[in-house]
Amino acid sequence: DAKTTQPPSMDCAEGRAANLPCNHSTISGNEYVYWYRQIHSQGPQYIIHGLKNNETNEMASLIITEDRKSSTLILPHATLRDTAVYYCIVGYGSSNTGKLIFGQGTTLQVKP
Amino acid sequence: GAGVSQSPRYKVAKRGQDVALRCDPISGHVSLFWYQQALGQGPEFLTYFQNEAQLDKSGLPSDRFFAERPEGSVSTLKIQRTQQEDSAVYLCASSFLQAGIPDTQYFGPGTRLTVL
Repeated sequence: DAKTTQPPSMDCAEGRAANLPCNHSTISGNEYVYWYRQIHSQGPQYIIHGLKNNETNEMASLIITEDRKSSTLILPHATLRDTAVYYCIVGYGSSNTGKLIFGQGTTLQVKP
Repeated sequence: GAGVSQSPRYKVAKRGQDVALRCDPISGHVSLFWYQQALGQGPEFLTYFQNEAQLDKSGLPSDRFFAERPEGSVSTLKIQRTQQEDSAVYLCASSFLQAGIPDTQYFGPGTRLTVL
C-alpha cells in the first residue's frame, strides 16, 4: 500500500500557483519524498525529490514540513500543459530496491 | 532516441495467447523496472533488474509473468496464457544508478495490452 495520502482532485486557474498537498505521516528517517506526474496516455515524469530541506528546480518547488510528515508541491505558474495526475511517493530507504509505490495521486485540472 | 522506448505501443491478444513486451532503456542505465497500470489506477511495481540480475520480482502477479534482461540492456516482459485481467498498460522505467541510491526513473510511453 502507498505510504502517502493525497486529495483525489484539485483545480487551478491558469497562471496561478498550484499547491498540491501530501501526507506521509509514517515516513522513516532515510526515506525521500518524490513527486512524479502523468499526463494522459504518457508514462510518469519525474518532477522533484527531497529528504529534509526544501527543494526547487525548473519545474517546481517542494516544501517539506520540519517533522517530515507532510509536504507540498508548488507549481509557481500553472499552465494548461500542467493538467495531469500528480503522485507523491515515499521511498528509497536503504532496504528498498528503488521501486516506486504509487497511490491514486491528485488529478490537477488547470483551467483557462 | 534519448528516452526509454517500448514496443509494441498497443497489443491485442486473445485469451490464452502468449505475449512479449519489449523495453529499450536509456543507454548506460543500470536499473530497469516494470510496472503495470490498470485503468484509472496508479502504476504498480512488477519487477526490478540491476544490470542483468533480477533482484526483485515480488510484484509479478503470477507464474504466468516472466521478465528477462539477458545482456543488461533490453528487457522483455512475457505473459503466458493471457487472461482478461492482464489487460493494462505495462510501463518500463530505467535509472542510471543502482538500487538503494535515490535516483530519477525515466519512464517509457507504455504498452497497452488488451486481452479479449
